[in-house]
Amino acid sequence: AQKITQTQPGMFVQEKEAVTLDCTYDTSDQSYGLFWYKQPSSGEMIFLIYQGSYDEQNATEGRYSLNFQKARKSANLVISASQLGDSAMYFCAMRVNTGTASKLTFGTGTRLQVTL
Amino acid sequence: DTAVSQTPKYLVTQMGNDKSIKCEQNLGHDTMYWYKQDSKKFLKIMFSYNNKELIINETVPNRFSPKSPDKAHLNLHINSLELGDSAVYFCASSQGVGNRGTGELFFGEGSRLTVL
Repeated sequence: AQKITQTQPGMFVQEKEAVTLDCTYDTSDQSYGLFWYKQPSSGEMIFLIYQGSYDEQNATEGRYSLNFQKARKSANLVISASQLGDSAMYFCAMRVNTGTASKLTFGTGTRLQVTL
Repeated sequence: DTAVSQTPKYLVTQMGNDKSIKCEQNLGHDTMYWYKQDSKKFLKIMFSYNNKELIINETVPNRFSPKSPDKAHLNLHINSLELGDSAVYFCASSQGVGNRGTGELFFGEGSRLTVL
C-alpha cells in the first residue's frame, strides 16, 4: 500500500531559526515523486518543492530544501531562516501511479507556528 | 489571469438540496481533479479526468457526479446534500507525468460548502 505519514501535528519555531518538518512514505514503485505544499490560513494550496525518486541531489527552492533519504523513505522539508509568514499548514504528498493515471496522496499535515 | 479558477467560493445550503461547483483551468493541462478537504484538513482525492475521460473514482457516493465538457473544465454536481458533505472542495490540474510533467498539482482557491 502507498502511504504518506506526517507524525508532527504541530510545530513551533522561533523567527529566523530553521525548522524540519518530517515526512515518511511507503511505496513499492521505483518511480515516484514527492511534493510539499503550504496552506496558509487563507486556504489556498501553494506548491513549495518537488523531489523525483531518481533525483540524486536534494531539491532546493530558496529557503526550502528537501532532505531526501531514499533508503529510509523519508522526505523532510527544511525551512531556513523562518519568517512569520511561514506560519501555515504544510502537507507532504506523493505521486502515486495507478495504471494509466497518477494522483497525489497527501499526508495529514503539520501546522507550523513561527513565533517572535 | 487565474490559472485554476473555481466558483462559487462559498456555498451555504440546506440538507437535501443539490448544488454544483464549476472549475476551469487555462494552463493547457490534460488532467483535472477534485479533492475534498475535511474539517481536520485531510485532503483526499475524489475524481480525476484526463482529456474528458474519467480515470480515477475513489469510492465516492453516487450523489457526487463530475462532468468534464472539455479538458479545460471539470464541474462537480452534488445531489441530496448531507451534513457530512460540508468541506472545502478543491479543483486541481496537472500536466501528465508522461508529458514530461512531474505531476505537480495546480490548485484552485477552493469552494467551502456548508450544509445546514
